[in-house]
Amino acid sequence: RKEVEQDPGPFNVPEGATVAFNCTYSNSASQSFFWYRQDCRKEPKLLMSVYSSGNEDGRFTAQLNRASQYISLLIRDSKLSDSATYLCVVNMGAAGNKLTFGGGTRVLVKP
Amino acid sequence: NAGVTQTPKFRVLKTGQSMTLLCAQDMNHEYMYWYRQDPGMGLRLIHYSVGEGTTAKGEVPDGYNVSRLKKQNFLLGLESAAPSQTSVYFCASSYGGTLASPLSQYFGPGTRLLVL
Repeated sequence: RKEVEQDPGPFNVPEGATVAFNCTYSNSASQSFFWYRQDCRKEPKLLMSVYSSGNEDGRFTAQLNRASQYISLLIRDSKLSDSATYLCVVNMGAAGNKLTFGGGTRVLVKP
Repeated sequence: NAGVTQTPKFRVLKTGQSMTLLCAQDMNHEYMYWYRQDPGMGLRLIHYSVGEGTTAKGEVPDGYNVSRLKKQNFLLGLESAAPSQTSVYFCASSYGGTLASPLSQYFGPGTRLLVL
């Protein structure tokens, strides 16, 4: 079993619609969680950190469910520019601030 | 403030050749990392460093060496390139310290390496 698992997609989303997807992690001792965004042939960029109480940044909402060991990302009012691969990233508490990456969920927003 | 930069951006090698990838950061970060990204595999950690003069192995270290002689630079070396090392290589950096707050990593633009 992979340490961080994501549905690879693609999620085909009409412009203006809402899309949500999850990521599961295997290590219950995981310390911190992030969503990164990666555009085609570009580097990953931090989208948002995920806090225990859940957090929102504009049209993006992230949730953490420690009991079931998953995090989620919801995108409201999808824009064409939201088309990207979304990487679930977990710090499992290892020394050196090492992060474990999921394989990514591809989202395609269409007119 | 350039953030994290990588050179070269693209390189083609023949099997058995050697090369060094350079990563530089101007954010005074303590920690630096080298990853490779392959289709369907996600990012995998090759080596990392928690400070000047220190390095450690990551998930897939075989065939690679690293050095961190200066805080702002982290070099990745391939002594004898193999076709299996064809990949996109990303460097990243972050602050060190405790896990009191999430410590995200900042990535460079990547180096595309093709080994024939």
